[in-house]
Amino acid sequence: SQTIHQWPATLVQPVGSPLSLECTVEGTSNPNLYWYRQAAGRGLQLLFYSVGIGQISSEVPQNLSASRPQDRQFILSSKKLLLSDSGFYLCAWNLGGTGGLNTEAFFGQGTRLTVV
Amino acid sequence: QKEVEQNSGPLSVPEGAIASLNCTYSDRGSQSFFWYRQYSGKSPELIMFIYSNGDKEDGRFTAQLNKASQYVSLLIRDSQPSDSATYLCAVNNQAGTALIFGKGTTLSVSS
Repeated sequence: SQTIHQWPATLVQPVGSPLSLECTVEGTSNPNLYWYRQAAGRGLQLLFYSVGIGQISSEVPQNLSASRPQDRQFILSSKKLLLSDSGFYLCAWNLGGTGGLNTEAFFGQGTRLTVV
Repeated sequence: QKEVEQNSGPLSVPEGAIASLNCTYSDRGSQSFFWYRQYSGKSPELIMFIYSNGDKEDGRFTAQLNKASQYVSLLIRDSQPSDSATYLCAVNNQAGTALIFGKGTTLSVSS
């Protein structure tokens, strides 16, 4: 069966420090991978998605970046964190679809990031 | 920017009642629709998906889709206190490459 691992579960970082969050998927090949952010009291905001190695699409311009160095690995990074980067970061995967259809996405446990 | 709209609630229902959650979307090209449940501090978990107009039932849950009205809903029959959570509606983008989420509706079921 497929599983998704995301770490760390919680993180407290000072303003201006770098960030690296990692997500890996097991039990499937060539998944679509996603990074979402959920700020307090707000909905899930799509940050990045990837349909293959090295293919990254950004939905929201910001000081974050994403990379996909391997088929089932997705990394979210920042060179200098801002207070506004605080939130609940979620990695997700699905098998994608064709003709406008899409399959359900499955989420990792999330990383709660607090920038102080 | 494609939009998915939900009433934030809270929606309060007594135990055993039917809870009705609604969602509208702006992208007419969307073809896949999903309902997720999210407990406080946890990640979203899939309840069900629907692709075709009409109703789809799974246990106590029924999803309803009306593409002409760009409207999707979730009915929860025999609501239980354990159903108290935030319910997220998700719609795929027209390219079928990503799911766009609404802000969610908070449901509270009282015993």
